[in-house]
Amino acid sequence: DVQLVQSGAEVKKPGESLKISCQGSENSFTNHWIAWVRQTPGKGLEWMGIIWPGDSETYYNPSFKGQVTMSADKSITTAYLYWSRVETSDTAIYYCARSITAEGFNWFGPWGQGTLVSVSS
Amino acid sequence: VLTQSPATLSLSPGERATLSCRATQSLRSSVAWYQQKSGQAPRLLIYGASIRAPGIPARFSTSGSGTDFTLTISELEAEDVGVYYCQQRTNGLTFGGGTKVEIK
Repeated sequence: DVQLVQSGAEVKKPGESLKISCQGSENSFTNHWIAWVRQTPGKGLEWMGIIWPGDSETYYNPSFKGQVTMSADKSITTAYLYWSRVETSDTAIYYCARSITAEGFNWFGPWGQGTLVSVSS
Repeated sequence: VLTQSPATLSLSPGERATLSCRATQSLRSSVAWYQQKSGQAPRLLIYGASIRAPGIPARFSTSGSGTDFTLTISELEAEDVGVYYCQQRTNGLTFGGGTKVEIK
């Protein structure tokens, strides 16, 4: 089964750019949707969007559209989440996870280990 | 919106744990359930038509439809401590707020 390994913790100042990554362990990475999920103490788990690494097709949660950009490089089985200008409210743990939809059901698994993003002046 | 209850469940080893997930609108399909242990990423427990993910013990089971869903841990073990989340995809894609399971 695919394993997802995320990049390390980041400490940023407001207004800086940031890109975090999620690398899959096998070529089947490009044949599944990859989701990004944000976790904060106040809002819990929030689905941000999904990307198909094979052709970089994306769907965003309307709450996050325009705030972040998802991308992928299938040649290195890696998905990315990018902020052009981070804000303090972006402080959170970000997870990538394989997203599967079948027979009307949807679930996420496996998950990456998470990337802690801290934004503070 | 998914509402999980109780917020915290404190039980003794061997007891039965019943976790509730209630939707504000009827869901077309069952919710998925996840377990998150302290300092770890969520882990898929049960998905689809009550299918346990690989490696998930048989003491975990689910039931429910429409607006009311339940995760049951038949005989609680110490390793089951953590926060449990439900997730739906009928009305947008959302997670519940979680139920924290503790051992007395």
